[in-house]
Amino acid sequence: ETGVTQTPRHLVMGMTNKKSLKCEQHLGHNAMYWYKQSAKKPLELMFVYSLEERVENNSVPSRFSPECPNSSHLFLHLHTLQPEDSALYLCASSQDRGTGANEQFFGPGTRLTVL
Amino acid sequence: GQNIDQPTEMTATEGAIVQINCTYQTSGFNGLFWYQQHAGEAPTFLSYNVLDGLEEKGRFSSFLSRSKGYSYLLLKELQMKDSASYLCAVMDSNYQLIWGAGTKLIIKP
Repeated sequence: ETGVTQTPRHLVMGMTNKKSLKCEQHLGHNAMYWYKQSAKKPLELMFVYSLEERVENNSVPSRFSPECPNSSHLFLHLHTLQPEDSALYLCASSQDRGTGANEQFFGPGTRLTVL
Repeated sequence: GQNIDQPTEMTATEGAIVQINCTYQTSGFNGLFWYQQHAGEAPTFLSYNVLDGLEEKGRFSSFLSRSKGYSYLLLKELQMKDSASYLCAVMDSNYQLIWGAGTKLIIKP
């Protein structure tokens, strides 16, 4: 247990569906992250929130929409996804952003399959 | 562009020693991280290096040479539970982590 939880753990959706991924951290951290992990590829940073403000948006398609209602919760809203969006979506948190020795704690991920 | 290179897969024997290398080219440097990820699980933090040299933590050690853009993770007295992927990541000048694709380590009895 890393102190970061994600739900659901597995999700299968059609291209016309709308769904949301949820992440919660119990560590009192100020920064939260969404990553995409595809097989044999590096982790891709999607979004970063620091003190509930979005600070990074790495050219992610608009069919992915993040939401950070407070410092403990992070959502990723999904709509009209494509089959190539099938991947493991990881949430992470860190004490702060903008310092070096700032390890990130990861949740177990949501395995997403788009049909 | 920014790039992290590490071997795709390595095999070692239980009880032996293995060294996983990582080379990097990034825009700035604010430290290098190693993470362990078991299949189907979250990555977990192993080590952080920001100065040149060797950091030892139990059976695991991590080395950094900033001038060579090079790091390695050394695992001693290998156990079957060490079978996992090992991810190298560098924090760039914007404090963003740039990740390698990971090295899958297979331990054989």
